[in-house]
Amino acid sequence: AQSVTQLDSQVPVFEEAPVELRCNYSSSVSVYLFWYVQYPNQGLQLLLKYLSGSTLVKGINGFEAEFNKSQTSFHLRKPSVHISDTAEYFCAVSYFTGRRALTFGSGTRLQVQP
Amino acid sequence: DGGITQSPKYLFRKEGQNVTLSCEQNLNHDAMYWYRQDPGQGLRLIYYSQIVNDFQKGDIAEGYSVSREKKESFPLTVTSAQKNPTAFYLCASSIETGGSYNEQFFGPGTRLTVL
Repeated sequence: AQSVTQLDSQVPVFEEAPVELRCNYSSSVSVYLFWYVQYPNQGLQLLLKYLSGSTLVKGINGFEAEFNKSQTSFHLRKPSVHISDTAEYFCAVSYFTGRRALTFGSGTRLQVQP
Repeated sequence: DGGITQSPKYLFRKEGQNVTLSCEQNLNHDAMYWYRQDPGQGLRLIYYSQIVNDFQKGDIAEGYSVSREKKESFPLTVTSAQKNPTAFYLCASSIETGGSYNEQFFGPGTRLTVL
């Protein structure tokens, strides 16, 4: 079975500061990795994904994430955040084959303060 | 516009009643999913369907039922057997080619409250 741990439930940060949202996963087989963003009372939007290849993945809105196989981590980073980045962020994994449904972490609430 | 629609946006239910949440997609996607979201718990899989007339239980299927009679529709019924149904419900869909990953697209969600 696979599981996803997001170590921080809330991350407060000042506008224009850098931020890192942490994600660790456990799985006995290879998985795909994702970060989603959710604004209040809305669905989820894909920020970025790691399927294969380069371990540094760039996504939308200036976000990037690095896949570290040895540490089973997929941390999300942004060098300079904006007020509009305030949202809930979810890390997720999916198997290569078979059940394609996503397994999600518990989420991290990013609060950007002026 | 192509996308996933969920209705209603807000739904109130009395204890002991069954309610059905609608999910429709016009993306011609093969696979559809239902997730439940509770504060501090992320999203958990209720049911999924990879093809018409077939569906599988997810991690928290007890108290829920689904049908997949048409490719574009995947309604979820929350039955009276579901002990704590108050939550935000999200529907998703994806192409199902079998050979590689296909992105899941999410609907806007339905917030169900039991009175």
